[in-house]
Amino acid sequence: NAGVTQTPKFRVLKTGQSMTLLCAQDMNHEYMYWYRQDPGMGLRLIHYSVGEGTTAKGEVPDGYNVSRLKKQNFLLGLESAAPSQTSVYFCASSYGLAVQETQYFGPGTRLLVL
Amino acid sequence: RKEVEQDPGPFNVPEGATVAFNCTYSNSASQSFFWYRQDCRKEPKLLMSVYSSGNEDGRFTAQLNRASQYISLLIRDSKLSDSATYLCVVNVGNGGSQGNLIFGKGTKLSVKP
Repeated sequence: NAGVTQTPKFRVLKTGQSMTLLCAQDMNHEYMYWYRQDPGMGLRLIHYSVGEGTTAKGEVPDGYNVSRLKKQNFLLGLESAAPSQTSVYFCASSYGLAVQETQYFGPGTRLLVL
Repeated sequence: RKEVEQDPGPFNVPEGATVAFNCTYSNSASQSFFWYRQDCRKEPKLLMSVYSSGNEDGRFTAQLNRASQYISLLIRDSKLSDSATYLCVVNVGNGGSQGNLIFGKGTKLSVKP
């Protein structure tokens, strides 16, 4: 099992450009999440999905869109990148929301917006 | 709003030392608790769950005090490989826009030879 994988690992964008980050998991998890991690801020939830075809906003959703067309994939889109979106993006997945449920993280995507 | 608070450190300790990290949480309805470990430029990984009775995994001991809303992690006989950032994580059940897991900002540990 590869677990949770993310593509690309690193990307540089110019302000105003768009891109899509891909997350894939092979654990048959229902729930998937996108976080961003910034120095001194900890992990913040951007969007999440509780199943194929569903998405919901997290704590910091502005400037991002997501899609979950297949259970194993969760895409994060930046329509018009801004320097404030420079961050490390982590995807995670879990079986569900049970109280002992933990999340499994992908290796991260480092994004630099100039 | 600081739902999960940790001392950011860094904690600089020699090999073989015992070190303890603390974490406090604000949501009294929090249902479960975890410690994650994050190495530099890597993803967070589950280190251990924290149970009310306290639990131990080798050199690591986790304690929970629900009355004080306080979680701790004790590392005995520190190894160089323990150098990492330790994230305190709280499951708040239906967390709404924050999700069910709330992450602390982490405590950085550096173990020196």
